[in-house]
Amino acid sequence: AQKVTQAQTEISVVEKEDVTLDCVYETRDTTYYLFWYKQPPSGELVFLIRRNSFDEQNEISGRYSWNFQKSTSSFNFTITASQVVDSAVYFCALSEARGTYKYIFGTGTRLKVLA
Amino acid sequence: NAGVTQTPKFRILKIGQSMTLQCAQDMNHNYMYWYRQDPGMGLKLIYYSVGAGITDKGEVPNGYNVSRSTTEDFPLRLELAAPSQTSVYFCASSDGQQATNEKLFFGSGTQLSVL
Repeated sequence: AQKVTQAQTEISVVEKEDVTLDCVYETRDTTYYLFWYKQPPSGELVFLIRRNSFDEQNEISGRYSWNFQKSTSSFNFTITASQVVDSAVYFCALSEARGTYKYIFGTGTRLKVLA
Repeated sequence: NAGVTQTPKFRILKIGQSMTLQCAQDMNHNYMYWYRQDPGMGLKLIYYSVGAGITDKGEVPNGYNVSRSTTEDFPLRLELAAPSQTSVYFCASSDGQQATNEKLFFGSGTQLSVL
């Protein structure tokens, strides 16, 4: 069965620190898709990134970077030089290419960036 | 450029009352979903639909019903509200094109309290 684990319930950092949010997934499929979403205090869910299982290239977007490692079934998210505006709950999600198009979400990591 | 529109944003129900959460999307997406978000529990899939006239249960369907008479609309019905249904409800849609750049687009959420 598919499962997404975000073991870090809450992380607090001081502004300008780097922080990594962990995501470990389980799936039987060889083709699948991984996502990160951000939920700021306003409550909406904002798409950050999608990664296909056959593309293990790491990705960098500004202060954000993602490390995808199939060998450890992990898809970790790093924020460099964190800012107060990064304070949010971050969700990792998995979708299998089985035609059901269902997304399974982790329980989220609440990031607090202190000024 | 509305995307996914959910109404209402907030609602308080008494135990045993019924209500319908409305969801509409204007992106011509075939796939639509209802999730509930409980504190610390991530997002749980209630129901989903892969097209007009087709719906299926997710992880936590008990106490809810859905219908999909058009591509645009995917209402969620609570028949006999219970305190356990106090949650934040999110509607989402996707184009189902997994091989390309498919991702979930979320509505802004409905905060429901059952007292």
